Amino acid sequence: DADVTQTPRNRITKTGKRIMLECSQTKGHDRMYWYRQDPGLGLRLIYYSFDVKDINKGEISDGYSVSRQAQAKFSLSLESAIPNQTALYFCATSDPRTSDYEQYFGPGTRLTVT
Amino acid sequence: RKEVEQDPGPFNVPEGATVAFNCTYSNSASQSFFWYRQDCRKEPKLLMSVYSSGNEDGRFTAQLNRASQYISLLIRDSKLSDSATYLCVVRSGGYQKVTFGTGTKLQVIP
Repeated sequence: DADVTQTPRNRITKTGKRIMLECSQTKGHDRMYWYRQDPGLGLRLIYYSFDVKDINKGEISDGYSVSRQAQAKFSLSLESAIPNQTALYFCATSDPRTSDYEQYFGPGTRLTVT
Repeated sequence: RKEVEQDPGPFNVPEGATVAFNCTYSNSASQSFFWYRQDCRKEPKLLMSVYSSGNEDGRFTAQLNRASQYISLLIRDSKLSDSATYLCVVRSGGYQKVTFGTGTKLQVIP
């Protein structure tokens, strides 16, 4: 089984809809991240969480919110989806105690907002 | 200037060839450097960290040039399975300062 899972894997939604992307991990890592990837722009950090009580904005947090329900779960919400949020979204985890900042990514969620 | 810059490619090389990619970074205080590999429509995976003294892992060699602010990745004896996009990653502080390059696409041709 994969260590970092994301649901759904693909989603098409309409402008203005609320949508939640979910991430679960079995690696036991405290640190979790949400990124989006767009062609020509690379991966950009949306939010990150160092533990259940510590959530921080990344470089492109506007239009997004997150919830860290447990050490193993980190959800990303789009309160009112817009077309320019169409992208590939990745969740990642890390544990600096065991590796030099290596991040482990989930398989990604391909989101299309029409 | 972008924080991390890579030539997007594609680099089309025959099997068995040696190919090298560079990645430049703008923050001279950057602390850690990595190469990730990303297959089409898949998640990025760590290929190797880049150490100041340079490091090698099989056919892959990574080097850091702090004076000129770039890192490099050399792939020897290219295999078809090396075809992927290679992402340069630079950390300049805490986790919020991890910056991914846009990637260099490699296509190894039979």
